[in-house]
Amino acid sequence: DQQVKQNSPSLSVQEGRISILNCDYTNSMFDYFLWYKKYPAEGPTFLISISSIKDKNEDGRFTVFLNKSAKHLSLHIVPSQPGDSAVYFCAASGGYGGSQGNLIFGKGTKLSVKP
Amino acid sequence: DGGITQSPKYLFRKEGQNVTLSCEQNLNHDAMYWYRQDPGQGLRLIYYSQIVNDFQKGDIAEGYSVSREKKESFPLTVTSAQKNPTAFYLCASSIGWTDNEKLFFGSGTQLSVL
Repeated sequence: DQQVKQNSPSLSVQEGRISILNCDYTNSMFDYFLWYKKYPAEGPTFLISISSIKDKNEDGRFTVFLNKSAKHLSLHIVPSQPGDSAVYFCAASGGYGGSQGNLIFGKGTKLSVKP
Repeated sequence: DGGITQSPKYLFRKEGQNVTLSCEQNLNHDAMYWYRQDPGQGLRLIYYSQIVNDFQKGDIAEGYSVSREKKESFPLTVTSAQKNPTAFYLCASSIGWTDNEKLFFGSGTQLSVL
């Protein structure tokens, strides 16, 4: 049973427009959420995170929104650039009493930004 | 220049053979992890280590073994008991074993079966 779900395997966006990547979770004990970006044949790199005490966190072109009542978070990229083309993983922690080893990842969404 | 180094980048395993994937970090991080990624899947935790000489099984530990004799090193052995070893393996580390820690990943090892 997937605790972190990214229901869109892929997303295609025009350069300069907004990219919105979505993530749903089922475990209400999760209290920290992260987004990682991954290029092919490379390791993921940390992008942005949000604590459950907040509903928004912004870092440059990247903003993460958290809706706890809906158990939903989203990553907004504005404006999208071709270099943003990658697989984006949503991850959550805290569901097992604070164990980092139990960081739960979604299956990822492949973003393609077309020039 | 600090980071996590995984080697080799590509590895081939014959039937019945054990292979070892190397992971070294010079970030002075206490915690280290091994994840497996299959096509179209998320990352699944194999083993993790909070501190030297200690390690714990993750969600899919069967067919794998690890050691943590040094803070900098966390090698993963894929044994012959792992019947479906073909995957992309990622090593990661974090400063400590607490919530809200950001994982730093290596560049991965692609393991294939001959």
